[in-house]
Amino acid sequence: GDSVTQMEGPVTLSEEAFLTINCTYTATGYPSLFWYVQYPGEGLQLLLKATKADDKGSNKGFEATYRKETTSFHLEKGSVQVSDSAVYFCALSDPLSGNTPLVFGKGTRLSVIA
Amino acid sequence: GAVVSQHPSWVICKSGTSVKIECRSLDFQATTMFWYRQFPKQSLMLMATSNEGSKATYEQGVEKDKFLINHASLTLSTLTVTSAHPEDSSFYICSAWPGLAGGRSYEQYFGPGTRLTVT
Repeated sequence: GDSVTQMEGPVTLSEEAFLTINCTYTATGYPSLFWYVQYPGEGLQLLLKATKADDKGSNKGFEATYRKETTSFHLEKGSVQVSDSAVYFCALSDPLSGNTPLVFGKGTRLSVIA
Repeated sequence: GAVVSQHPSWVICKSGTSVKIECRSLDFQATTMFWYRQFPKQSLMLMATSNEGSKATYEQGVEKDKFLINHASLTLSTLTVTSAHPEDSSFYICSAWPGLAGGRSYEQYFGPGTRLTVT
């Protein structure tokens, strides 16, 4: 079945450091790819998405590019802030069958220190 | 954007009582809703898939008699934890799917979660 593998955390960075969280996937067909963020005590918020190969999703300084050849969707940010401290989940879905649940990675906890 | 609400946002109940959690899509009709459970510092675990007007499909290992799911309308699904015990304490999150459009699906939209504590 479909699966998502993301780098294990926790990741601790100093403010203004560069962030990369790796995410690779296994899927049949051409899934849609997502990054969700979960702040402490809250639900999931969609951070960005990409629906086809070479698409770049971006939001709030975060970017991820859908790489079909490497089946990857790595999350990057050039300069992290303390407010970016959260858990980040990579996920995929079958765009032709939305009534199947998202497949999530295990999540990567990011802590940014001032 | 599409908004999904959950009520209550947190609840404390005594062991042996039942608790109902509501999940509502506020500005769209949800063909399908999903219920997840999240343990501290862990990923989301799918509990069940709920389609309006039909019985929920539970994941393996989830007790359907304990976690009752009702998807009574296209904007409301409820999860009732019956005879709750301390081990049921968790963060419960729902998501809603508005359906296919133009041959491709919209993304799913998540509620803010409900923290259940059973004492």
